[in-house]
Amino acid sequence: DAEITQSPRHKITETGRQVTLACHQTWNHNNMFWYRQDLGHGLRLIHYSYGVQDTNKGEVSDGYSVSRSNTEDLPLTLESAASSQTSVYFCASSDRRSSYNEQFFGPGTRLTVL
Amino acid sequence: AQSVAQPEDQVNVAEGNPLTVKCTYSVSGNPYLFWYVQYPNRGLQFLLKYITGDNLVKGSYGFEAEFNKSQTSFHLKKPSALVSDSALYFCAVRGSYGQNFVFGPGTRLSVLP
Repeated sequence: DAEITQSPRHKITETGRQVTLACHQTWNHNNMFWYRQDLGHGLRLIHYSYGVQDTNKGEVSDGYSVSRSNTEDLPLTLESAASSQTSVYFCASSDRRSSYNEQFFGPGTRLTVL
Repeated sequence: AQSVAQPEDQVNVAEGNPLTVKCTYSVSGNPYLFWYVQYPNRGLQFLLKYITGDNLVKGSYGFEAEFNKSQTSFHLKKPSALVSDSALYFCAVRGSYGQNFVFGPGTRLSVLP
């Protein structure tokens, strides 16, 4: 069965360190997204990609970067981790063929920045 | 700008009773509306969506939602709640001009036995 996976599931790091969160999907979807989930805010879009070599900034992109070298993967990098980036991060993907297709979500990565 | 409001942080309902989780939205163009559910330590799971057509849409696990254009609402409903329905529910909207999804803050549903 097709799926979307994230690793690691839990990560503790220190302020100032670079951190990369992995996202891998086997749906063969063109669209991929990164969100962060914080209490009272729901999900907020960090970055998104509509295909290989395409990346775009979302609502809360400062301090984050992504790259898309293939269809399956969209890693999220925190350049210099800050305590404000402690959150749960979700990756999602969707089929490009229709603008109203639902997104499929990974299980999430809980990141703690000390 | 797109926005989604879920006016209730928490909804409590007794098992067997009907439940409603409210959602209102603002979007440019025609709305594409979605409901997702999140169980503890899990990602979001798609429940149902409204694109066009019948205002009452049916989805997974016996849930349904009613689209009301004049009230810009898309409330989630279920005729008879189960304890296993207890979870966090998110409403999301996307406009027909190709904007990205916007999610509401979530409503925590507790179904009491």
